Amino acid sequence: AQTVTQSQPEMSVQEAETVTLSCTYDTSESDYYLFWYKQPPSRQMILVIRQEAYKQQNATENRFSVNFQKAAKSFSLKISDSQLGDAAMYFCAYRRVMNRDDKIIFGKGTRLHILP
Amino acid sequence: EPEVTQTPSHQVTQMGQEVILRCVPISNHLYFYWYRQILGQKVEFLVSFYNNEISEKSEIFDDQFSVERPDGSNFTLKIRSTKLEDSAMYFCASRKDRTNTEAFFGQGTRLTVV
Repeated sequence: AQTVTQSQPEMSVQEAETVTLSCTYDTSESDYYLFWYKQPPSRQMILVIRQEAYKQQNATENRFSVNFQKAAKSFSLKISDSQLGDAAMYFCAYRRVMNRDDKIIFGKGTRLHILP
Repeated sequence: EPEVTQTPSHQVTQMGQEVILRCVPISNHLYFYWYRQILGQKVEFLVSFYNNEISEKSEIFDDQFSVERPDGSNFTLKIRSTKLEDSAMYFCASRKDRTNTEAFFGQGTRLTVV
């Protein structure tokens, strides 16, 4: 069974600094998708960034980028120039490609605090 | 921008009562999901739905739960006889088609069972 592990329950970063959130996963599949979701206090789940496993190039979205290490099954999220609005719970997530409607498997989350 | 809409945002119910949580997925989406997040814990998959039938369900999704797409737009989750441990945030999500990677989530319904 696929699993997603986030080993950092909480992290803090000074505003304008850079922070990296860690995620590892376990799967026997060769093709899959990985995601980072943000959950602010409003509790809505917002997609931050996604990575297709067959792509070697790391995904980037403005201040957000990932370090995808397929062999190590590692998928970390880097947030540059941290802003107060980045304070939220961040979930790493996995989805298989093979089945048409496969579920998303979430990690336990990392709560990110931004220090002014 | 199209979005997934859930109602109500907060529902309080007595133990043993039936509740129906409602979702309006994005209109041209074909795959629908319910997830649950107990306070302070991770988001857990409940059920997926495609072509008017359940595709997959988790161990959590027992006989007390059911889903329905009654009118081609709404997607509902019914809990027949609520228990205290059903208190959680319930998220609906939809995905467009087989090739599309991204699932869009609604804002969630907070269910409190008292």
